[in-house]
Amino acid sequence: DAKTTQPPSMDCAEGRAANLPCNHSTISGNEYVYWYRQIHSQGPQYIIHGLKNNETNEMASLIITEDRKSSTLILPHATLRDTAVYYCIVRTNQAGTALIFGKGTTLSVSS
Amino acid sequence: GAVVSQHPSRVICKSGTSVKIECRSLDFQATTMFWYRQFPKQSLMLMATSNEGSKATYEQGVEKDKFLINHASLTLSTLTVTSAHPEDSSFYICSALPGNSTNYGYTFGSGTRLTVV
Repeated sequence: DAKTTQPPSMDCAEGRAANLPCNHSTISGNEYVYWYRQIHSQGPQYIIHGLKNNETNEMASLIITEDRKSSTLILPHATLRDTAVYYCIVRTNQAGTALIFGKGTTLSVSS
Repeated sequence: GAVVSQHPSRVICKSGTSVKIECRSLDFQATTMFWYRQFPKQSLMLMATSNEGSKATYEQGVEKDKFLINHASLTLSTLTVTSAHPEDSSFYICSALPGNSTNYGYTFGSGTRLTVV
């Protein structure tokens, strides 16, 4: 069963912010929200993760709603290199738990 | 940061032969590694969980005798596709979890493109 729901595709103009939504209405209290991306023919790349507070790093910001049922990944200034499939994944922090990938969102950044 | 090296990046083999794919954690010890398969325009599918020093745990529908996994050390896991057939052609990706962390961004290898002819 899919734990997350994401739009299949989104477009963004270069230099603008890309806001990628994710629904995880059945998330448990001990589950984190992880975001990964996969550029064509490469392995997935870790972006960011969070539990309930908003998080920011050099790549992106993660906004998690207060009820934790949805989140948004924000790429503040999208570039052509950000074109990729973005995966939102929920998982516990239990050691040895694999990441289970859904279908993700294909983000296309154009000039 | 944590780096996972996967080799080879591409391999072409004949039907009926076996192919070995290596996954190495370069700067950390990985007690657990994961193997995924990805068909064109599809998402990653978890094949198995590899634990150092013990047998791998395979996902439902994955043939353990066809996809042999060995995790003999804390830095190396191998996936051997035995008696490969054209339908085994796919993109195989490994992922590793540092041994001292339960809450971490998993690191992925760059993937192996297997083509069986």
